Amino acid sequence: GEDVEQSLFLSVREGDSSVINCTYTDSSSTYLYWYKQEPGAGLQLLTYIFSNMDMKQDQRLTVLLNKKDKHLSLRIADTQTGDSAIYFCAERDDYKLSFGAGTTVTVRA
Amino acid sequence: EPEVTQTPSHQVTQMGQEVILRCVPISNHLYFYWYRQILGQKVEFLVSFYNNEISEKSEIFDDQFSVERPDGSNFTLKIRSTKLEDSAMYFCASRRLNTGELFFGEGSRLTVL
Repeated sequence: GEDVEQSLFLSVREGDSSVINCTYTDSSSTYLYWYKQEPGAGLQLLTYIFSNMDMKQDQRLTVLLNKKDKHLSLRIADTQTGDSAIYFCAERDDYKLSFGAGTTVTVRA
Repeated sequence: EPEVTQTPSHQVTQMGQEVILRCVPISNHLYFYWYRQILGQKVEFLVSFYNNEISEKSEIFDDQFSVERPDGSNFTLKIRSTKLEDSAMYFCASRRLNTGELFFGEGSRLTVL
């Protein structure tokens, strides 16, 4: 079955880089995702990566995928107070998305 | 920018009542999903739907739950007889075939009293 693990909390100083890590178990995953959830809000698609890629960059966001180790990371450059949220890693097979428990990122001044 | 829309944003119901949550997926999307998130917990898969039938469902999606695409635009989740533990945020999502982009709606908060 699918199992996605993330660390639960990350505290980072404004202006520093944040790195959120995730591991997954399903080797048949086709895509891997990062979603952002602010308090009381929905799931905002931040970025995703196809499983045959190892890196994707989109403005301040960099996704690294190590398929051999089934490890995914999200780096946020120049972290801002508006980046404070819960970040969910998810893997997708043909039929569904399986989520991690979410990493709560707190940005301190 | 096209988006997934969900109604109602919040519904309060009595235990044992039927509830229908509605979703309008993005117009050229063909794959649809329902997820739920109990307050403070993980986002859990309920069901995926493609070509007018269920592709996969989780253990949570028992006989009390059903999904339907009654017309060309709406995708609904029905809970036949709500229980206290059905209180959660329910998210609808959709995607096209052969693409990575998978978008969620803002959610419908269900409170069962």
